[in-house]
Amino acid sequence: TQLLEQSPQFLSIQEGENLTVYCNSSSVFSSLQWYRQEPGEGPVLLVTVVTGGEVKKLKRLTFQFGDARKDSSLHITAAQPGDTGLYLCAGLNSGGSNYKLTFGKGTLLTVNP
Amino acid sequence: SQTIHQWPATLVQPVGSPLSLECTVEGTSNPNLYWYRQAAGRGLQLLFYSVGIGQISSEVPQNLSASRPQDRQFILSSKKLLLSDSGFYLCAWRQGASTNEKLFFGSGTQLSVL
Repeated sequence: TQLLEQSPQFLSIQEGENLTVYCNSSSVFSSLQWYRQEPGEGPVLLVTVVTGGEVKKLKRLTFQFGDARKDSSLHITAAQPGDTGLYLCAGLNSGGSNYKLTFGKGTLLTVNP
Repeated sequence: SQTIHQWPATLVQPVGSPLSLECTVEGTSNPNLYWYRQAAGRGLQLLFYSVGIGQISSEVPQNLSASRPQDRQFILSSKKLLLSDSGFYLCAWRQGASTNEKLFFGSGTQLSVL
């Protein structure tokens, strides 16, 4: 079973601060996806990273895939209250079934105004 | 455009009662379908996935079962609910199996077993 460990589990910051959350595994993934989920709703995809070392930017969000494709990070610059939510990383199995995405337990981010 | 419908949104059931949650997808054909469970607003646990009609793969042995009677219909069932079955159940679909394919989630069913 491939496991994804996300850290920190909880993060509470003030508006305007920067933050980084992490997604780590001992396994290699074909690709890794980041989702954001708001209470009572399903997760919504933010980005997919495929190549080791890849960096993608989505406005104030920067996603990086580790060189060995075992880990990833999400950096948010100048956080806003609208960034509040549960951030989930999900890895696509490498070398096995391509039908399953394995999710981490998430980082619950609260941005206070 | 593709849409995914999941119902009901909330459900309160007594222990020992049966369960049937339904999920349908519109605007696509032959999708890969998934049932996830999320406890206490945390990570998603994959319960079942299906790559075609009548094809069900179970990830975690438990008190639940799944069926896919039609291409775009996925049903999660239980004959007798347990307290531990409480949680937020999410249905999702994915068009293919390539590395860039993303999951589209339904709005979820909050199940409380009392």
